[in-house]
Amino acid sequence: ETGVTQSPTHLIKTRGQQVTLRCSSQSGHNTVSWYQQALGQGPQFIFQYYREEENGRGNFPPRFSGLQFPNYSSELNVNALELDDSALYLCASSLALIRDDEQFFGPGTRLTVL
Amino acid sequence: AQKVTQAQTEISVVEKEDVTLDCVYETRDTTYYLFWYKQPPSGELVFLIRRNSFDEQNEISGRYSWNFQKSTSSFNFTITASQVVDSAVYFCALSEAPYYGQNFVFGPGTRLSVLP
Repeated sequence: ETGVTQSPTHLIKTRGQQVTLRCSSQSGHNTVSWYQQALGQGPQFIFQYYREEENGRGNFPPRFSGLQFPNYSSELNVNALELDDSALYLCASSLALIRDDEQFFGPGTRLTVL
Repeated sequence: AQKVTQAQTEISVVEKEDVTLDCVYETRDTTYYLFWYKQPPSGELVFLIRRNSFDEQNEISGRYSWNFQKSTSSFNFTITASQVVDSAVYFCALSEAPYYGQNFVFGPGTRLSVLP
């Protein structure tokens, strides 16, 4: 069973640029959630995708967008990067939209915006 | 709106000591789930436990134990005979929704350092 993987591991961008982060879900999982974890804080929910459709969004501006592909891998896109976007971005996959199922987290992508 | 408070920002103990990490939550729902996750320096969140609001039984798993008290809205985590490998940031989390998503809220975390 393959776990959740994310790429790249680290990324450095400058303010105003755009970035795409990638997540490969655990085998068989059809739901993916993205979280932003600023330094010294707990993760904050960005949005969730279920079967390629967005299914819930946290308090993040529209320049944060996502995609989920037929193989259930996912992308997080951030446009017009700001310094405050510097954070660890975590994705988590689960089997379905039920709480009884566990969600598994990837190792994260650390984004630095200069 | 739901909220999770972890008042202890950092804790340091010496190996083999017992340590308790506190978690206090706020929710208006009667049905909810509580979680604990461990985040080692590698960054990956590791699931430790999930407890639903209808099950107040304490749970023990090896050196780990959890005390859930609805009367005080607390879900505390105790590590017995701590080890250096327990050093990590620990997060308590709360979910009100029937699925993981926007109602999945993490606390700010407690950084535990276990010294040899």
